[in-house]
Amino acid sequence: AQSVAQPEDQVNVAEGNPLTVKCTYSVSGNPYLFWYVQYPNRGLQFLLKYITGDNLVKGSYGFEAEFNKSQTSFHLKKPSALVSDSALYFCAVRGDGGFKTIFGAGTRLFVKA
Amino acid sequence: SAVISQKPSRDICQRGTSLTIQCQVDSQVTMMFWYRQQPGQSLTLIATANQGSEATYESGFVIDKFPISRPNLTFSTLTVSNLSPEDSSIYLCSVPPGQAYNEQFFGPGTRLTVL
Repeated sequence: AQSVAQPEDQVNVAEGNPLTVKCTYSVSGNPYLFWYVQYPNRGLQFLLKYITGDNLVKGSYGFEAEFNKSQTSFHLKKPSALVSDSALYFCAVRGDGGFKTIFGAGTRLFVKA
Repeated sequence: SAVISQKPSRDICQRGTSLTIQCQVDSQVTMMFWYRQQPGQSLTLIATANQGSEATYESGFVIDKFPISRPNLTFSTLTVSNLSPEDSSIYLCSVPPGQAYNEQFFGPGTRLTVL
């Protein structure tokens, strides 16, 4: 069965510091991995994805994520956080050959000025 | 990217009534998904709606409670029937952007409060 774990309910970081939001997954076959962001009172926005290829993928708003197959992780990172990055972040996974995407519980990111 | 709109954006309903949520996409899509996001929770897939066939419901969700229509390739409705306070959630429709189903695009959501 597919599953996604986001071990941190909340991440606090100072503006200008690097940020990491953690995600681990379990899936049959090769994973399709995604990060989405949800700003208050708005729908989810796609940030980035890993399907195949380079383990480091770059996405919107300066975010990137590193796929680590041995650790079954797909952590979201940004070198320098902005206050405007404060939002709810969801990791998601889908197994190749399937169509159902499973979402993690979400991690709330607070960036303090 | 697909542009997705939902109506209504929010509603407050009485117990026992029903609410129908509309989802309109600016391009033709084969698959449409309906999700529920309960307060402080993640997204849970309710059902997959394919045009020309019955919707496929996930475990824990039934057609009598969540009837779905999919009359064409750009539109779908989700009805939440016989409302109870436990149905208070954000309901989101979602589509894959093209023939290659990878990431999904989401509508802005419908925030339902049941009194």
